[in-house]
Amino acid sequence: SQQGEEDPQALSIQEGENATMNCSYKTSINNLQWYRQNSGRGLVHLILIRSNEREKHSGRLRVTLDTSKKSSSLLITASRAADTASYFCATCQTGANNLFFGTGTRLTVIP
Amino acid sequence: ETGVTQTPRHLVMGMTNKKSLKCEQHLGHNAMYWYKQSAKKPLELMFVYSLEERVENNSVPSRFSPECPNSSHLFLHLHTLQPEDSALYLCASSQATAAGSPLHFGNGTRLTVT
Repeated sequence: SQQGEEDPQALSIQEGENATMNCSYKTSINNLQWYRQNSGRGLVHLILIRSNEREKHSGRLRVTLDTSKKSSSLLITASRAADTASYFCATCQTGANNLFFGTGTRLTVIP
Repeated sequence: ETGVTQTPRHLVMGMTNKKSLKCEQHLGHNAMYWYKQSAKKPLELMFVYSLEERVENNSVPSRFSPECPNSSHLFLHLHTLQPEDSALYLCASSQATAAGSPLHFGNGTRLTVT
């Protein structure tokens, strides 16, 4: 399949803990992106990492990319109840323009 | 609030109805997209318009008909839908000049086909 696959499908943690979500994909990519979706809303772009980058930070978010393993991880540090949402990875394949999304990880942060 | 506005937010229609979904973006982007989101399935790319021309149609049934009159507006015309078409329909926009540009999504239209 073209899209990335997130793991785990669901994750429940206590407020203040770190949350790690993983994404695996099958083809070579230009970039990989992470999005967040609150219930009943649209997706919001969080961070983009290019194929020649290994790690990127944005606030409490840290994204890693391992192109040899075709995988990425999203780490949310010091989680808050407001981080409760679904998180999706999206890949832009080499030579293509469009993004392909996975089924997402449902994160619940318990206050 | 998101720069991409979709109307209506909710729509219930019978299988013989004709309705349209509307999307408007205020970000100055020149590419617009329709995605379908069903429970426990990956987001499904339906249509892509770049510079107001349709550049991709991922084998979507003809009962879905897109229209892009200008770079700020996108419509999805619906006709004789099936119950399995019930889903959240998301519109997105981006700058078409760079491959894999980040997408800006609207909040979607929740469609229920009865």
